[in-house]
Parts: sequence; C-alpha cells; structure tokens
Amino acid sequence: EAGVVQSPRYKIIEKKQPVAFWCNPISGHNTLYWYLQNLGQGPELLIRYENEEAVDDSQLPKDRFSAERLKGVDSTLKIQPAELGDSAVYLCASSSDKELYNEQFFGPGTRLTVL
Amino acid sequence: GQSLEQPSEVTAVEGAIVQINCTYQTSGFYGLSWYQQHDGGAPTFLSYNALDGLEETGRFSSFLSRSDSYGYLLLQELQMKDSASYFCAVPDSNYQLIWGAGTKLIIKP
Repeated sequence: EAGVVQSPRYKIIEKKQPVAFWCNPISGHNTLYWYLQNLGQGPELLIRYENEEAVDDSQLPKDRFSAERLKGVDSTLKIQPAELGDSAVYLCASSSDKELYNEQFFGPGTRLTVL
Repeated sequence: GQSLEQPSEVTAVEGAIVQINCTYQTSGFYGLSWYQQHDGGAPTFLSYNALDGLEETGRFSSFLSRSDSYGYLLLQELQMKDSASYFCAVPDSNYQLIWGAGTKLIIKP
C-alpha cells in the first residue's frame, strides 16, 4: 500500500512569491490534514478535511493561505504571498476516518525556505 | 485549553531502557498517542492509550494514568536506529491532535 505522497520535497522561494504544495493521501482515507512544523516543535494543524469539506480551518491564516481538496482525494495548500516566517516543514497526513484521528499517517513533508 | 509537557532531550546507552514522560492538561480526555520522527522524516504512529495501564508493542510500551494526567513511552533494548524525536499528542473535542514539543532521544554506543 502506497503511503502519503507529497511534492515537492524542498522549495526555496523569495518572499512575496507564491508557492503551492501537493498531497495525495493513502487510498481510501477520507480525512486529510495539513500541518506546519517548525524546527524543534510538534506539528501544528492548519486545516482538516473530511472528504472534500474543510471541517477545521481555524488555524489557517486565511489572508495568505488557501487549501482545496477537490473530489475528496488529493489536496493543494497554497501560500500567496509568502513571508519569511513561513519557512517551515509542511506536513500532510491522512486517516481512514475522523474516528481514527489518533493514528495518522504522514507524508515526508515539504521543507519551505523563504528568502 | 490543551497543553502537553515532555522533556526536550533524553540521553541513553545502546541496549539500555529509557522512559520518556508526558504530562497533559486537557478540558476533556480522548486518549494519548505517541509518534516517532527521525530527523528529516515523517512522524510515524507508535501507540495509543485510551485507558489506564500499559500497552506493549515489541520493544516499545506506553503507559497511561488518567488520574495523574500522565503517560510515558518506554523503549527497551535500545538500538541506534531508535535515535529520533518522540512526540506525545492528545486530541481535543474536535478530533484535532494537540502535540507536545517533542523529546529528542540521543543514544550513545
């Protein structure tokens, strides 16, 4: 069974530029999460999807961040424009449904560097 | 609100046993999870405790005491590959996992 796939693995951009991250969860997993992880910290939830519906986006900075999960499968997270403080690892995770939120499967992440 | 505390770093010797503690403050309790993350890698689920007591999975065990709002991860027969960061996490009422800052486990030969 393929795991959670994310791309790109690394991205370096200048501030004020846009950037997008892509995630394909494990097949059949209805719940998808986007997290941000800073060095030496635990992941922080940005948004959670149940199928194609964003059910928890309270931590998403909506002035510059947006996300979509069309058709309830893969998902894209966008930042526009990026700021220096956005440098972090962006992790995507999935679980088979919301009741199994304690066991999430993570992708390798995208390490974003904003110069 | 929810908060978790765990030591920032623990050092142990290969072949030994190490315990990583986690204390939590939650408005409700829905279980305690543990994840492992190697440098540059993805967090990987290790264990979940919903009830008091010890859960054993091979060399790893996890313990929970709900009355003390406390849990720990026990790693036995340490191997160099166990060098990683270990996170405890608890869900809130919205099924959102709240994570600790992680404990970096350093293993010396």
